[in-house]
Amino acid sequence: DVKVTQSSRYLVKRTGEKVFLECVQDMDHENMFWYRQDPGLGLRLIYFSYDVKMKEKGDIPEGYSVSREKKERFSLILESASTNQTSMYLCASSPTMAGGAGELFFGEGSRLTVL
Amino acid sequence: GENVEQHPSTLSVQEGDSAVIKCTYSDSASNYFPWYKQELGKRPQLIIDIRSNVGEKKDQRIAVTLNKTAKHFSLHITETQPEDSAVYFCAAGYTGGFKTIFGAGTRLFVKA
Repeated sequence: DVKVTQSSRYLVKRTGEKVFLECVQDMDHENMFWYRQDPGLGLRLIYFSYDVKMKEKGDIPEGYSVSREKKERFSLILESASTNQTSMYLCASSPTMAGGAGELFFGEGSRLTVL
Repeated sequence: GENVEQHPSTLSVQEGDSAVIKCTYSDSASNYFPWYKQELGKRPQLIIDIRSNVGEKKDQRIAVTLNKTAKHFSLHITETQPEDSAVYFCAAGYTGGFKTIFGAGTRLFVKA
């Protein structure tokens, strides 16, 4: 089974703190993604990466950055956390499919609260 | 930019009835249309998907239809059961890259 592991299930941070969310996948997938899930808004794409050291902005990248130094690991960084970044963060990975997008395998999620 | 709209946001059905969830997408370059189910407190998981060279796909009680001309696709669940209660997300994948854009989700309640 594909396993996508997010290091922290629950975090509470203060406004202005730097926050790291870590994600590791064990299936040698080329593509990794960070989504944010909020009620009524679905899953919104923050950043994705299709190769080591490569990154692409999604639909809501403002206030976030990412790092992919190794194929299996994709980190989401909040340089200065704000209360409007309180949310559930979902990491996902997928293999490269001919013709583009393929099935996403999600982690359990990291629920971040910024006070 | 790319956008996926999903309706309804909430759907309540009696056990044994059918449920239909509809989505529209904006980018005609989309070629992959997955549906994910998220049970309470769990991760989203793929339940069925369709690619643009296919108009319909069925897997037991679940079916998906695609109308590329109208940019519509739909999920049909027949003979609903209480364990079908969950949030369902439609999504569209793009040939220009590997990203997938999601709809806002439909919360399905199946009443026993």
